[in-house]
Amino acid sequence: LAKTTQPISMDSYEGQEVNITCSHNNIATNDYITWYQQFPSQGPRFIIQGYKTKVTNEVASLFIPADRKSSTLSLPRVSLSDTAVYYCLVGVIASGGGADGLTFGKGTHLIIQP
Amino acid sequence: SQTIHQWPATLVQPVGSPLSLECTVEGTSNPNLYWYRQAAGRGLQLLFYSVGIGQISSEVPQNLSASRPQDRQFILSSKKLLLSDSGFYLCAWDRGLNTEAFFGQGTRLTVV
Repeated sequence: LAKTTQPISMDSYEGQEVNITCSHNNIATNDYITWYQQFPSQGPRFIIQGYKTKVTNEVASLFIPADRKSSTLSLPRVSLSDTAVYYCLVGVIASGGGADGLTFGKGTHLIIQP
Repeated sequence: SQTIHQWPATLVQPVGSPLSLECTVEGTSNPNLYWYRQAAGRGLQLLFYSVGIGQISSEVPQNLSASRPQDRQFILSSKKLLLSDSGFYLCAWDRGLNTEAFFGQGTRLTVV
């Protein structure tokens, strides 16, 4: 199980681009990188997942360098509603194997100010 | 489409009382199922996961237990609640193999 390290908190302002970096030095060959967002008193919500290079969807982009020992979640032009906790997960969810891929760390508390 | 139902939304229970939280998934079959607990201001702690009926794996030893009597039903139980059992309990499911996980709305449990 690859352990992840993220900043505990970050601050930014509306309209800015926010980049949250996650370190996962012992990522395994089969591991994917997944990011979730959680608002208070709600369950986490999937944002994006990737294996290598860059992945982009309507919400965010995920940048993964060649060595895959880190990844960066990029949120373009954030708004107040992007204030939430963001979790980086690394692992493989193998059917019949285990739940390594769904082990959450403490996440990054992102606070967006006006 | 798939949905996950978790109830009740809030619960206040006295110390020493039993607990039963239920989670059901609709629209899919043979999901992986998970129970998490989140204490105030803390991260998500994985409590139990199940890859099939009757198959339960425990991540953290405690006075809680889980059961999966049906393919899409996951139950979290306790015979005697402790104050430290207070928290936000979340049920989740996924299809495995790097798929997206879906969470229920959670149960806010307060043990008094």
